[in-house]
Amino acid sequence: EVLLVQSGAEVKKPGESLRISCQASGYSFTSHWIGWVRQMPGKGLEWMGIVYPGDGEVKYSPSFQGQVTISADKSIRTAYLQWTALKASDTAMYYCARQSGGGTATGPSDYWGQGSLVTVSS
Amino acid sequence: SYVVTQLPSVSEAPGKTARITCGGSNIGSKSVHWYQQKSGQAPVLVILYDSDRPSGIPERYSGSNSGNTATLTISRVEAGDEADYYCQVWDSSSGRLNGVFGGGTKLTVV
Repeated sequence: EVLLVQSGAEVKKPGESLRISCQASGYSFTSHWIGWVRQMPGKGLEWMGIVYPGDGEVKYSPSFQGQVTISADKSIRTAYLQWTALKASDTAMYYCARQSGGGTATGPSDYWGQGSLVTVSS
Repeated sequence: SYVVTQLPSVSEAPGKTARITCGGSNIGSKSVHWYQQKSGQAPVLVILYDSDRPSGIPERYSGSNSGNTATLTISRVEAGDEADYYCQVWDSSSGRLNGVFGGGTKLTVV
């Protein structure tokens, strides 16, 4: 069974750093792209970027390039999303999602994590 | 950058057919994926590559894509279909890959 288990809710202050995680199981972690999606409170889904754990290649949405860092550690089957200096506007639910179709980046997201709620407030 | 447009809301009575559209320039030349998100839950893939259903998704869910409009059709609507629905396409016209979501359509079963 494919599972993506995300790290828990975080409450941080503006300017702080943060890394959230997504641990995968039940499939070949290095053979599928895995991505991150933001959902701000009461709003829609926004695609942030994807990483290929097999070789570490990352593709960012133009909207998020330079704002976050996406990475993966294949030794522990975990993908990460990190910020160096959080802003109040980063308050959102963040989902990780596996891309279907093996090494194809541009397919559907067939499995999703449960979401990690990040709250940034002074 | 590529823009995908969805109506904010659609209402339909139980047993009827709901149609949720996703508009974009020549979207028929792209593959469209559809996700269902119920309140407080993670999204679920309901249609992939315009019209394919993942295993476990009822046959009542179908999709089509032509010209400037892709459509998710839900036949014999049930109360359990009430959710937000998002379409997604992949675009690289700017030279950078981007997984573009529509703004979402809230389906209300009245």
